[in-house]
Amino acid sequence: GAVVSQHPSRVICKSGTSVKIECRSLDFQATTMFWYRQFPKKSLMLMATSNEGSKATYEQGVEKDKFLINHASLTLSTLTVTSAHPEDSSFYICSSIQGLANEKLFFGSGTQLSVL
Amino acid sequence: LAKTTQPISMDSYEGQEVNITCSHNNIATNDYITWYQQFPSQGPRFIIQGYKTKVTNEVASLFIPADRKSSTLSLPRVSLSDTAVYYCLVGDPSGSARQLTFGSGTQLTVLP
Repeated sequence: GAVVSQHPSRVICKSGTSVKIECRSLDFQATTMFWYRQFPKKSLMLMATSNEGSKATYEQGVEKDKFLINHASLTLSTLTVTSAHPEDSSFYICSSIQGLANEKLFFGSGTQLSVL
Repeated sequence: LAKTTQPISMDSYEGQEVNITCSHNNIATNDYITWYQQFPSQGPRFIIQGYKTKVTNEVASLFIPADRKSSTLSLPRVSLSDTAVYYCLVGDPSGSARQLTFGSGTQLTVLP
């Protein structure tokens, strides 16, 4: 299946700093990537849809100025958590959709963000 | 959006067959049913997808009745390494991932 590479796998930062998470599609071109957030023992929540060459679409309740998404190429999307605070601590996961009819989601390995 | 309902948790023993059922009463005509597996601190992994009847691959089978209002993921002869959360997603693959909403998932625990 398609491979989506996500880095870093884990990051610990001080409150007020910004953190960038990268998501790369290794063997296919991803015009669309998706960013999820997952709290412990909870399900995945879609945060935003990242479109190559255009602005991301954010889900209701997700602050676009807080979670900056850039999708400058067909293989790379980045999520920057700006001025991170402890409540931003979470597991962030990216994914891309692929298949003959775009029917399958392929996920990155996730990034555990801990803000002190 | 088709909402899904799954059991929160299930326990099984090694070597047994496990069946996890998902209810999706308001599934739409263009919706497919997809199952994902997630281990702790990892992204979900695609298991199987189907539209109707039965689909089988090297790791699982998916049974979908004629009315498509539910589906059952069948894992043959589970092992300890199958302990994970299993998510059932329902949506139109030609649409957006916004339609592919994750439900609560089922925590499967395989015991020795």
